[in-house]
Amino acid sequence: AQSVAQPEDQVNVAEGNPLTVKCTYSVSGNPYLFWYVQYPNRGLQFLLKYITGDNLVKGSYGFEAEFNKSQTSFHLKKPSALVSDSALYFCAVRDFNYGQNFVFGPGTRLSVLP
Amino acid sequence: DSGVTQTPKHLITATGQRVTLRCSPRSGDLSVYWYQQSLDQGLQFLIQYYNGEERAKGNILERFSAQQFPDLHSELNLSSLELGDSALYFCASSPRTSGNVLQETQYFGPGTRLLVL
Repeated sequence: AQSVAQPEDQVNVAEGNPLTVKCTYSVSGNPYLFWYVQYPNRGLQFLLKYITGDNLVKGSYGFEAEFNKSQTSFHLKKPSALVSDSALYFCAVRDFNYGQNFVFGPGTRLSVLP
Repeated sequence: DSGVTQTPKHLITATGQRVTLRCSPRSGDLSVYWYQQSLDQGLQFLIQYYNGEERAKGNILERFSAQQFPDLHSELNLSSLELGDSALYFCASSPRTSGNVLQETQYFGPGTRLLVL
C-alpha cells in the first residue's frame, strides 16, 4: 500500500535562510509525487509535481523539489525563505498500480521568522 | 482566484441528514477531484471524475457518492451524516490530458465547510 511520511510536524527557519521540508514515500510502482501548500484560512494550492524526467522539479513561488528514488524521498526546498512562505505544506503520492489513489502526508507547518 | 467554485461555503446540518455539495471546475477542465480535510483524518482523497466517468476512487465511504454532469460540474452527496463527517470538503479540477499523460496540476476551490450537529 502507499504511504507518505512527513517526519517534521513543524519547521522553523529565519527569513532569507534556505528551507527544506522533508517527505518520504512508499509505493509499489513508479510514483507520481506532489507538493501542496495551504495558507491560513485559505484553500489548497498546487506547488509542483514529479511525474517523470528530471529529478529536480521547479514549481511555483521559487520552490523546488528533488526526487530521489533510492532514498524514496521528495524533499521540498527553497533557497531563501520569505515570511509569506509560512503555511502548511502537504506531500502526496499517486500510485497508478493501486487504482490511482492519492495519499497525503500529515502536513508540515512552516514558520518563517523575520 | 483559482477559477474553481464551490457551493455552499458553509453548511450546518444534523446527524442522519443528507447534503449535496457542488463544484464547478475551471472552464475547459475535464477532471474533477473531491477531498475531505478533517482534524483527525487529515487530508484524504475521495474520488476523481474525468469527462463524466469515474476515474479513481480513494477513501470514500459508501454513504457518500459523487457524479459529474455533462456540463462538467460535479456534486458530492453525503447521506446518513455522522458527527465525524464534519470537515472541509475541497474540490479541484485539472486540465485535459495531453496524449496519454495526465496533466495532474490541480486547481482547488475554496472548500465547503460542513458541520454536523
